[in-house]
Amino acid sequence: DIQMTQSPSSLSASVGDRVTITCRASQSISTYLNWYQQKPGKAPKLLIYAASSLQSGVPSRFSGSGSGTDFTLTISSLQPEDFATYYCQQSYSTPFTFGPGTKVDIE
Amino acid sequence: QVQLQESGPGLVKPSETLSLTCTVSGGSISSYFWSWIRQSPGRGLEWIGYVYYSGSTNYNPSLKSRVIISVDTSKNQFSLQLTSVTAADTAMYYCATYYYDNSAAGSWFDPWGQGTLVTVSS
Repeated sequence: DIQMTQSPSSLSASVGDRVTITCRASQSISTYLNWYQQKPGKAPKLLIYAASSLQSGVPSRFSGSGSGTDFTLTISSLQPEDFATYYCQQSYSTPFTFGPGTKVDIE
Repeated sequence: QVQLQESGPGLVKPSETLSLTCTVSGGSISSYFWSWIRQSPGRGLEWIGYVYYSGSTNYNPSLKSRVIISVDTSKNQFSLQLTSVTAADTAMYYCATYYYDNSAAGSWFDPWGQGTLVTVSS
């Protein structure tokens, strides 16, 4: 199985901050990498697919980059509604696997 | 806009079979693939498997011996059966559309149902 790791596991930030979350795969996955946002009591929501493509309806302050084993999710200016947990997920091969998550909370 | 809704018992006894159904609305199940994913504090998000409307399946090897995912196109539903459950199977279970992009952009899960909590306990 492809193992996914994320860093940091949690971070505190303020509204307006630029936030960067890193995801690393245990082997090269090209750009078969997706990012999800999950708020408490809710299902995960797709933000970014194929490493850098913004899902329809997702604000442009979210962006993704990377290929191979190292990927980044960036929130350019953190908004109050962005406080949540973020997960990466590889779709390169089955079994599909998720990262452990990065919790973004209010500083 | 496709919407998904899970349904099924919230409590299952150890060694019994967990059975959940996902109802698809706003679109036909005879498109795309359909998946089950679970989430627990100990295991995080874990992909269980997917089914195509034709009935073909792909399961996580860690669960393959205990899982059946099936589809009922007449009801626009797909289902999960997990046999011989233990406390380790206690989790929030989500159904989701598994979207596969033929242009090699990959695949992803979107949208998801709201989830249903299943507890395994006697």
